[in-house]
Amino acid sequence: EIVLTQSPGTLSLSPGERATLSCRASQSVSSSYLAWYQQKPGQAPRLLIYGASSRATGIPDRFSGSGSGTDFTLTISRLEPEDFAVYYCQQYGSSPRLTFGGGTKVEIK
Amino acid sequence: QVQLVESGGGLVKPGGSLRLSCAASGFTFSDYYMSWIRQAPGKGLEWVSYISSSGSTIYYADSVKGRFTISRDNAKNSLYLQMNSLRAEDTAVYYCARVVIVVDPTRGGYFDYWGQGTLVTVSS
Repeated sequence: EIVLTQSPGTLSLSPGERATLSCRASQSVSSSYLAWYQQKPGQAPRLLIYGASSRATGIPDRFSGSGSGTDFTLTISRLEPEDFAVYYCQQYGSSPRLTFGGGTKVEIK
Repeated sequence: QVQLVESGGGLVKPGGSLRLSCAASGFTFSDYYMSWIRQAPGKGLEWVSYISSSGSTIYYADSVKGRFTISRDNAKNSLYLQMNSLRAEDTAVYYCARVVIVVDPTRGGYFDYWGQGTLVTVSS
């Protein structure tokens, strides 16, 4: 089973700033099969990125994903008020045992 | 638009059973793999199970294997999760989600649409 470790646990930033979130895998993620999700309090997660760098339908271009192998990054170029939330990475494409990272909370500084 | 609506959650005693349902609309349900994912209070996401479009292929997380059963009824556009021998650690919000299979079904996929979830509480 691939273990995903997200860092930092919490990121304190101001609106307009750049956010850089990390997701590290315990072994190489096949063909960059990594997704990112956003979850706001009391809501279901929402798909942001799949295939490490492809934005899902309707996702603003301030969200971008990058990385390969064991190191992946989600970048929010300029934080909007609605971007303060928890973000999760998820790997797929290696086995049927799908795993999520522990999450990074982006909070208002 | 795609809609997934879960139901069936509630309070159950340890060792008890519960059946969750997920009603799907806005897409051709029989074309898609579907999954259950859960989230314990204040915790992260944990994949539980997924099922192929026909129902013939099923995978479970080790934490629920032998206790939970996923199934679907394509005629009713519905997904189910039968949960038996429930434990306190099964307490969570259970989400149903649509799965996008990228490689092949033995390698899972990502989740492009999620329901709002239903809360299951296991407590005496």
